[in-house]
Amino acid sequence: DAGVIQSPRHEVTEMGQEVTLRCKPISGHNSLFWYRQTMMRGLELLIYFNNNVPIDDSGMPEDRFSAKMPNASFSTLKIQPSEPRDSAVYFCASSFRDRVETQYFGPGTRLLVL
Amino acid sequence: AQSVAQPEDQVNVAEGNPLTVKCTYSVSGNPYLFWYVQYPNRGLQFLLKYITGDNLVKGSYGFEAEFNKSQTSFHLKKPSALVSDSALYFCAVRDSDTGRRALTFGSGTRLQVQP
Repeated sequence: DAGVIQSPRHEVTEMGQEVTLRCKPISGHNSLFWYRQTMMRGLELLIYFNNNVPIDDSGMPEDRFSAKMPNASFSTLKIQPSEPRDSAVYFCASSFRDRVETQYFGPGTRLLVL
Repeated sequence: AQSVAQPEDQVNVAEGNPLTVKCTYSVSGNPYLFWYVQYPNRGLQFLLKYITGDNLVKGSYGFEAEFNKSQTSFHLKKPSALVSDSALYFCAVRDSDTGRRALTFGSGTRLQVQP
């Protein structure tokens, strides 16, 4: 099993540029979560999907952030325009929607906005 | 609302000694509780979970955790620490009685095992 796959692993961009982060969940999982990790705020849930439908996006910081899940095997998190305060590690996690829904995390994308 | 507290930013222990990483939680209903470990520049790895039943849960790499409902705690333990256990540990909770599937994570505890 390949696990959750994220790309790119590292991204350096300039303020104002568009950034797109990608995630491939574990095959057969039907829930997908995007988290952001910073020293100041720890791990924060941004959004999660169930069966490709966004269920809770209350953690999305502002309109500059958007997420899509066009099919069961792919999701994107887009930041446009990016700002230095968006610098963080972004994790994608997936789970199978049983009673407990243990989440499995990808390796993360380390984003630096200059 | 659900929340998790990890009162210690860092725990230091000598190799071979027992270790405990503390976690307390707050949920309005019944909790599902999780421990994850994060090694440098890696994603979070699932260690163990409590759903229901036996209060002592055994997980990966020799770790176990004890659920204590009266103290609303879920402390992570290991009888004999290894240097390779040095990492960042996160406790997480989900309220099983709500429809919200997302986990709430604690702030993390850095475990340092000295040789």
